Amino acid sequence: NAGVTQTPKFRVLKTGQSMTLLCAQDMNHEYMYWYRQDPGMGLRLIHYSVGEGTTAKGEVPDGYNVSRLKKQNFLLGLESAAPSQTSVYFCASRPGLAVTDTQYFGPGTRLTVL
Amino acid sequence: GIQVEQSPPDLILQEGANSTLRCNFSDSVNNLQWFHQNPWGQLINLFYIPSGTKQNGRLSATTVATERYSLLYISSSQTTDSGVYFCAGVYSGGGADGLTFGKGTHLIIQP
Repeated sequence: NAGVTQTPKFRVLKTGQSMTLLCAQDMNHEYMYWYRQDPGMGLRLIHYSVGEGTTAKGEVPDGYNVSRLKKQNFLLGLESAAPSQTSVYFCASRPGLAVTDTQYFGPGTRLTVL
Repeated sequence: GIQVEQSPPDLILQEGANSTLRCNFSDSVNNLQWFHQNPWGQLINLFYIPSGTKQNGRLSATTVATERYSLLYISSSQTTDSGVYFCAGVYSGGGADGLTFGKGTHLIIQP
């Protein structure tokens, strides 16, 4: 049981390049989330998904797109990377909507946009 | 959305000391969690504590939901406790919404 995994761990992009971050979970969780963490800040929600084929915007969605074609995977895309998107990206999953459900976090992806 | 405030922002202690970290919420929350982010950036779940008190070794946490605050206690601090401690919660009317995080308390334990 690997929990929540993220690929890649590190990436450097040039302004205008595109890339996709992959989040995978093997816990059969319904809900998945993408957050970003900037220096000196807590995590902020980018997008989330409440099930296969569904996505919704979070607090800071601009410049990102997401897809959830399979229940176990949640993809975060940057179509045209900007230096402001330099950040550490965390993925999380949650079993369901019960008030007792905690979120489980992946190890993070450190992205630098030059 | 809810606002989450953590105090103090920074804390420097000697090994063996005790500490109390505080988290205040602007509105009612569910799924209140405490995390430790270690110096390598990894987020570690410490407690899921929407109300009441829990203990795990030298760490314990108390949430008073009616007064919208939570406390994290660290006793007999060790250098490995260093890092950033975050609290986070989901607005109780938010359904599947993600966690809202505070800015964290940066804890340094000196040998």
